[in-house]
Amino acid sequence: SQQGEEDPQALSIQEGENATMNCSYKTSINNLQWYRQNSGRGLVHLILIRSNEREKHSGRLRVTLDTSKKSSSLLITASRAADTASYFCATDAGETSGSRLTFGEGTQLTVNP
Amino acid sequence: GAGVSQSPSNKVTEKGKDVELRCDPISGHTALYWYRQSLGQGLEFLIYFQGNSAPDKSGLPSDRFSAERTGGSVSTLTIQRTQQEDSAVYLCASSLEPSGGEQYFGPGTRLTVT
Repeated sequence: SQQGEEDPQALSIQEGENATMNCSYKTSINNLQWYRQNSGRGLVHLILIRSNEREKHSGRLRVTLDTSKKSSSLLITASRAADTASYFCATDAGETSGSRLTFGEGTQLTVNP
Repeated sequence: GAGVSQSPSNKVTEKGKDVELRCDPISGHTALYWYRQSLGQGLEFLIYFQGNSAPDKSGLPSDRFSAERTGGSVSTLTIQRTQQEDSAVYLCASSLEPSGGEQYFGPGTRLTVT
């Protein structure tokens, strides 16, 4: 079963607004990553946050990690129509996971022009 | 430089037939992963190769699924006696770090079993 669970499952906003997606997980982790997927094909890595980090920025992206609550959030500021995609969180649980990433079900973001 | 490539991009096969899916990772990446994504779902881990170590096959759903990685580079995922529930997008990824690092994904192979 998937460890990560994103919410909301779907989010529709207007261009220029901010989009916030959340991810919860169950086990302890080494790091948590966010990926983006267009049209059900290959995923593109967005950002990685390590378990000892609480916040990370990359351009219009801001990721937070709360290991006590086992949750993370991805904020996209000043959204654009081109941000329309599915967004997945993925956790690396280190040795116990056999070096795999465990993906959540994803949030489908639609940015309306 | 070239990214991860996969072939074919689409494959339609009849139930009961065998299929082979190919993945060419980024040159120099020692870690290679196969995932499966059913319609509207997240990614399901299938198998992981790291260098010359024994692969982690714990995600393979049945003994009809197998994979190999020749010469530490190209990998082939084979599904024998395909079933309709095998229909999905099969994604390959490679990583420079042995574990837990950023993964670079190929475009996937969309498999349809009729």
